[in-house]
Amino acid sequence: DVQLVESGGGLVQPGGSLRLPCAASGFTFSSYWMHWVRQAPGKGLVWVSGINSDGSSTSYADSVKGRFTISRDNAKNTLYLQMSSLRAEDTAVYYCARDRSSAFDTWGQGTMVTVSS
Amino acid sequence: QTVVTQEPSLSVSPGGTVTLTCGLSSGSVSTSYYPSWYQQIPGQAPRTLIYSTKIRSSGVPDRFSGSILGNKAALTITGAQADDESDYHCVLYMGRGSWVFGGGTKLTVL
Repeated sequence: DVQLVESGGGLVQPGGSLRLPCAASGFTFSSYWMHWVRQAPGKGLVWVSGINSDGSSTSYADSVKGRFTISRDNAKNTLYLQMSSLRAEDTAVYYCARDRSSAFDTWGQGTMVTVSS
Repeated sequence: QTVVTQEPSLSVSPGGTVTLTCGLSSGSVSTSYYPSWYQQIPGQAPRTLIYSTKIRSSGVPDRFSGSILGNKAALTITGAQADDESDYHCVLYMGRGSWVFGGGTKLTVL
């Protein structure tokens, strides 16, 4: 079965850093674009970042540009989101998702990130 | 800043038909935006329903259909069931590796 499993969430102070891994299984990870999408409590989904299949091209929402870095290790079938200079408004459930035809066809269960002092 | 618009809430009677839309604050949605639709029960991960405007994701019943209606993308649910009561999200590909979600529609079946 195709599966994505996020981890690494937790409580972090404003200005702090956190790295979220997303472990992929059940498909040829190195063949797919991958994304991070977040959802603040009680709010809608927000696309955060995407990366192409070999990691050579990345893109970011304006709200995280310069603070977040997406990367991947195709040998380990793992996607990452390095988050720094975290703000209260970054508090959200973070989902990784697989790309298919410029959509998100498989989702992980999400990991909660809370930015608070 | 481009805003993707969705109805905040809609209701439908059991067995009825409802259409949810996904528009742009400026301009028209076309297939070039690769509109896709997701169903989400609060507290759970989203489930992909439709991608590339009208292609149903694996396992999605054919009472869910996608289209372009006028200047918007649309998700139509035909023969609504109680368990269709969920939040529905659309997303558009804006080009240059950028995607924008709408605010979501809360669908009530009553």
